[in-house]
Amino acid sequence: EVQLVQSGAEVKRLGESLKISCKASGYKFTSYWIGWVRQMPGKGLEWMGAIYPDDSDARYSSSFQGQVTISADKSVNTAYLQWISLKASDSAIYFCARHDFGEPFDFWGQGTPVAVSS
Amino acid sequence: EIVMTQSPATLSVFPGERATLSCRASQDIDSNLAWYQQKPGQAPRLLIYAASTRATGVPARFSGSGSGTEFTLTIRSLQSEDFAVYHCQHYNYWPLTFGQGTRLEIK
Repeated sequence: EVQLVQSGAEVKRLGESLKISCKASGYKFTSYWIGWVRQMPGKGLEWMGAIYPDDSDARYSSSFQGQVTISADKSVNTAYLQWISLKASDSAIYFCARHDFGEPFDFWGQGTPVAVSS
Repeated sequence: EIVMTQSPATLSVFPGERATLSCRASQDIDSNLAWYQQKPGQAPRLLIYAASTRATGVPARFSGSGSGTEFTLTIRSLQSEDFAVYHCQHYNYWPLTFGQGTRLEIK
């Protein structure tokens, strides 16, 4: 059974760093892209970027390029989304999702809520 | 970047009736279009891919159509569990983008 299990909710302060995770199981981790999607409160879905764990090829939306870093560790079947300095506008739910190249997201993680306060 | 535009933003329909949701792409995306359903507090769920193919386990009352730049999701005979937010997404090439979503609510 394919599963993507994300790390738990986070409460952080402005300017702090953060790294959230997405652990995959039930399939060959290195054969699929893992994408990250932001959902701000009451809003739609925003594609942030994706990574191919086999060679760590990462692609970013222009809106998120330079704002976050997407990485993966294939030894533990886990993808990561990282911030160096959080802003209040980073408060959102972050989902990871699996997809094949040129295909839609077929499995999703449960989401990681991130709250950033001053 | 391809811009995906969904309409309407909110759709009110009686249970048992049909709902028609639209999604427009700013450029030709062939049939590389997916629809997702999202209920409160849950992750999105893949409903339709390749514009018209139902994902595993999706009831036959859900159907998708269109190609190029105009796409439609139709839900026949709405059930209570169908009232949710629906998102379209293109996956033609990077960057992947979503529409802003359509909220389907009970009338």
